[in-house]
Amino acid sequence: ETGVTQTPRHLVMGMTNKKSLKCEQHLGHNAMYWYKQSAKKPLELMFVYSLEERVENNSVPSRFSPECPNSSHLFLHLHTLQPEDSALYLCASSQDLASRRDTQYFGPGTRLTVL
Amino acid sequence: DQQVKQNSPSLSVQEGRISILNCDYTNSMFDYFLWYKKYPAEGPTFLISISSIKDKNEDGRFTVFLNKSAKHLSLHIVPSQPGDSAVYFCAASVGGTSYGKLTFGQGTILTVHP
Repeated sequence: ETGVTQTPRHLVMGMTNKKSLKCEQHLGHNAMYWYKQSAKKPLELMFVYSLEERVENNSVPSRFSPECPNSSHLFLHLHTLQPEDSALYLCASSQDLASRRDTQYFGPGTRLTVL
Repeated sequence: DQQVKQNSPSLSVQEGRISILNCDYTNSMFDYFLWYKKYPAEGPTFLISISSIKDKNEDGRFTVFLNKSAKHLSLHIVPSQPGDSAVYFCAASVGGTSYGKLTFGQGTILTVHP
C-alpha cells in the first residue's frame, strides 16, 4: 500500500450505532488530519494531529472522537450520529506542521450515511 | 461565513482551449493559496500553490494568478485536456502558527470535451 488509505470506503449506520473510521499513511509523515465534506459544502477541517498529539479541534461535536495511536494511524470514532452527519470524511497527512507549505496528501475518503 | 468562495459550480471547455477557474477570499490574513484537483472516488491531490508575495506561479500547463487587492486568485490551464476533467478546489491558509489549517472553497467541476 502506498500513500494514504482509508477504510471502510462506504459506511451506513443507524443513529444508535458505534463505528470507527480508519486512516493509515505510508509516507512517513508526522501530521494527520480529518476533514468533512458535506454535499455542496467546502471541505471542513475537523481535527489535526502532530506526532500523535491533537493540536486542533475545530469545534467538532463530541459524538466524533479522534484517536491517533501512532504517527501512521488515525481513527475517527463515531457514536450517536445524526442524519446531518452524513458526508464524505477525508483523512490527510503531511510531513509535519513546521511549515504550512507542506503539501497535504489525502486519502480517498469514507462515504458515511447515517439513517 | 465562507472565507473562500468558488462562485462557479461548473465549467465546460473544449479540448485545447484555456480553462480559467476562479476563487475569491475575504480574509486578508491569508498568505498562502493552493489548488487541489479531485477525481471521483479519489482524494484531492495537490496541484499548484502561490505565496502572497508573488502574483504568479507557473508549473507546466498550470498557472495560478493572485490579485491581493481584489482578494482573487485564478487557475489557468492551457491547453486543456480531457484528463483535466475533475473537481478543482482552491484553499488558503493564514500566516504564523496555522498548523496546516486549510480553508477550502466549494469546488468547481471542470469538464473538458474532446
